[in-house]
Amino acid sequence: DTGVSQDPRHKITKRGQNVTFRCDPISEHNRLYWYRQTLGQGPEFLTYFQNEAQLEKSRLLSDRFSAERPKGSFSTLEIQRTEQGDSAMYLCASSLEPANEKLFFGSGTQLSVL
Amino acid sequence: QKEVEQDPGPLSVPEGAIVSLNCTYSNSAFQYFMWYRQYSRKGPELLMYTYSSGNKEDGRFTAQVDKSSKYISLFIRDSQPSDSATYLCAMAEVSGGYNKLIFGAGTRLAVHP
Repeated sequence: DTGVSQDPRHKITKRGQNVTFRCDPISEHNRLYWYRQTLGQGPEFLTYFQNEAQLEKSRLLSDRFSAERPKGSFSTLEIQRTEQGDSAMYLCASSLEPANEKLFFGSGTQLSVL
Repeated sequence: QKEVEQDPGPLSVPEGAIVSLNCTYSNSAFQYFMWYRQYSRKGPELLMYTYSSGNKEDGRFTAQVDKSSKYISLFIRDSQPSDSATYLCAMAEVSGGYNKLIFGAGTRLAVHP
């Protein structure tokens, strides 16, 4: 399978714990996005990487959230001191330049904070 | 008011029906218009991609964009039970050299045999 891969598929954690998600984009794609989707809503943009550089972060991404993409390959999204409001599906997408790009999404990580 | 409005449904139709899904938007700067299909507990899958106004057809799917009315549509002909999913419209403006997609809330579609 050469699509976008996300791990884990599901994560259950207790409030206050830290969690980390991983995304492996399609191999030749240099652009990587994180989105968050809550029940009954469409995905909302969180952050964007071009290669290893994080070029934009949404206001939705509080200080408890941090994303990295070392060496411009896989990416991680960490949430510190999780809250119940963080429960959502976290989606990763990748694409190839140029600007009329098409985003391809992974299957997501479903986070439940108890 | 949200930038992109989409009726959440659910929409229930018999197999073989023509399905019409719609979104309205308020940002006149949107230039790219997409439809994604999302099955339960899966990520969105790109169905149709349109730049600016006009129609685009791909098999049983037709996407229409009317920028003057700020209205986009997806038509599904000869609908099948396997089309049962949530359909998300998404839009982006040409800004900053990348696509930050704004999604609608999604319309749940059920096609029954």
